[in-house]
Amino acid sequence: DTAVSQTPKYLVTQMGNDKSIKCEQNLGHDTMYWYKQDSKKFLKIMFSYNNKELIINETVPNRFSPKSPDKAHLNLHINSLELGDSAVYFCASSLSGSGNEQYFGPGTRLTVT
Amino acid sequence: AQSVTQLGSHVSVSEGALVLLRCNYSSSVPPYLFWYVQYPNQGLQLLLKYTTGATLVKGINGFEAEFKKSETSFHLTKPSAHMSDAAEYFCAVGRGGGADGLTFGKGTHLIIQP
Repeated sequence: DTAVSQTPKYLVTQMGNDKSIKCEQNLGHDTMYWYKQDSKKFLKIMFSYNNKELIINETVPNRFSPKSPDKAHLNLHINSLELGDSAVYFCASSLSGSGNEQYFGPGTRLTVT
Repeated sequence: AQSVTQLGSHVSVSEGALVLLRCNYSSSVPPYLFWYVQYPNQGLQLLLKYTTGATLVKGINGFEAEFKKSETSFHLTKPSAHMSDAAEYFCAVGRGGGADGLTFGKGTHLIIQP
């Protein structure tokens, strides 16, 4: 009965590889997000989708490509991984509309070696 | 554009003492304000939020926060700290719009001394 789930929880890979992180929510929300938490625990939004449509695309390298096959899923694909991509990536979901709280997944810790 | 400042990257209190975590925001529109807690190796959990109405907001685990527009503040308090409160706390402001996400402060690490 997990609300927002992410797979995998840990991801260790080498520079230059391509990897994907998957996110699913069963809350019936119409909006999903990807956040990046760096080593100093600073959280910054990367993308948001509403009803499968891209709404926010912050200044994120083109190597990062989100894909939303349906309202319940938002995946993150990363090409040509770099050392600086090492971080914890959080997926979140909410109902659209200002003031609605976001529900966060458990995070995916990505380590690039 | 919105921004959030959390004063004190680390706050240490004794068990049973008052917890006060400070948050100041900057917003060009009426703000929606949130406090989230993150326990080690876990995701973020909502403690409380302010949208409109009553400026004193009560949340889970005995926490509350007061929205003060004149001071652009949304400080988080708990009358009596418990060891289980040790965690990272994040203040956030809604960026406005339906799917614009949150702007977070840098977080405050709360340490509880026995």
